[in-house]
Amino acid sequence: GAVVSQHPSWVICKSGTSVKIECRSLDFQATTMFWYRQFPKQSLMLMATSNEGSKATYEQGVEKDKFLINHASLTLSTLTVTSAHPEDSSFYICSAMVRGETQYFGPGTRLLVL
Amino acid sequence: SQQGEEDPQALSIQEGENATMNCSYKTSINNLQWYRQNSGRGLVHLILIRSNEREKHSGRLRVTLDTSKKSSSLLITASRAADTASYFCAMLFNSGGSNYKLTFGKGTLLTVNP
Repeated sequence: GAVVSQHPSWVICKSGTSVKIECRSLDFQATTMFWYRQFPKQSLMLMATSNEGSKATYEQGVEKDKFLINHASLTLSTLTVTSAHPEDSSFYICSAMVRGETQYFGPGTRLLVL
Repeated sequence: SQQGEEDPQALSIQEGENATMNCSYKTSINNLQWYRQNSGRGLVHLILIRSNEREKHSGRLRVTLDTSKKSSSLLITASRAADTASYFCAMLFNSGGSNYKLTFGKGTLLTVNP
């Protein structure tokens, strides 16, 4: 089956630094990738939709200057959390969509900002 | 963003019993999916039901969809302790043109006691 990887799987950083998370579709091309955030004991919240070669579409309440998304190719999307603060600590999950129906999720990246 | 409502929020049953979780949503959908997530881990796709389908089975799982009521249910029969996890419904809907979004319900925490 289709596999989506995320790197890193976990990261600890100091407040004020920027963190980049990569999302790759390993054996298929995805025109659309999605980024979600999940706080402990809560559901996944859609942050943004990323289409290859175009600007990401952010959900209401998500700061586009804080969460930079780059969908450079059909197999790679990156999320950069800029000037991270402790409240940005969360579980970030990406997914890649195929044929407008099936989504494949990455294993997630746990971010802890000290 | 659209998010589904699930009930119950938490469900505790004995091994061998059946577990039923319900999901309601607000607008028209292309399909509805159910996922499972063990604590702190990634998502596992369980089953997808399209908007023109009413019922679907996969092993011990049975999903129903009532588009007139905008609701779905997930039934797990003969539950096992290993079924203990959080279960989420997710709705795929068209967000304009050829763009799609998948948004999640709030989840049901299922505990199956041995």
